[in-house]
Amino acid sequence: SQQGEEDPQALSIQEGENATMNCSYKTSINNLQWYRQNSGRGLVHLILIRSNEREKHSGRLRVTLDTSKKSSSLLITASRAADTASYFCATDDGNNRLAFGKGNQVVVIP
Amino acid sequence: EPEVTQTPSHQVTQMGQEVILRCVPISNHLYFYWYRQILGQKVEFLVSFYNNEISEKSEIFDDQFSVERPDGSNFTLKIRSTKLEDSAMYFCASSVYEQFFGPGTRLTVL
Repeated sequence: SQQGEEDPQALSIQEGENATMNCSYKTSINNLQWYRQNSGRGLVHLILIRSNEREKHSGRLRVTLDTSKKSSSLLITASRAADTASYFCATDDGNNRLAFGKGNQVVVIP
Repeated sequence: EPEVTQTPSHQVTQMGQEVILRCVPISNHLYFYWYRQILGQKVEFLVSFYNNEISEKSEIFDDQFSVERPDGSNFTLKIRSTKLEDSAMYFCASSVYEQFFGPGTRLTVL
């Protein structure tokens, strides 16, 4: 089955800096979704990008998708302390079952 | 804003006991899901449910597990005879397209 894999695993940045994390997967997808998880809490849906899309924006988030390389990136611009969380990519192969990566831990230092 | 809710937030049970985890999906959503996250591991798909029947299930979802939509609003996951390795955070999700997750139920099997 598909596996989203994020890279890097942990990122520590200063408030105001940009944070970029990457995700790779192995097979064809219908869409790719990014989620945020604060420690011990639920998964918050951030953004969905379809396989025929290359880039998508939502507020301070920018997601890219390169289906030829089977990879996606999530950029958080002008980071805030409240952005401290784990970020997961999840792939949907069209069967509505999401395959999650291991997650990136992002720490934004005030 | 509508959200997925789950009860209880934390369930402690003895090995071999039956547990029922409850979820109220977002009201106009058509697809419902259960995922689990063992501490420190990836979020894993368990089962998806559409039109009152299971549409997909993973290899984790064996005969010990069952799902039900007993009325128009609730969606439940039953584990018949819990094992130590069932200890995890269980997330319910619902979708029209993007999957929206509930806050999770932390299940601890002693």
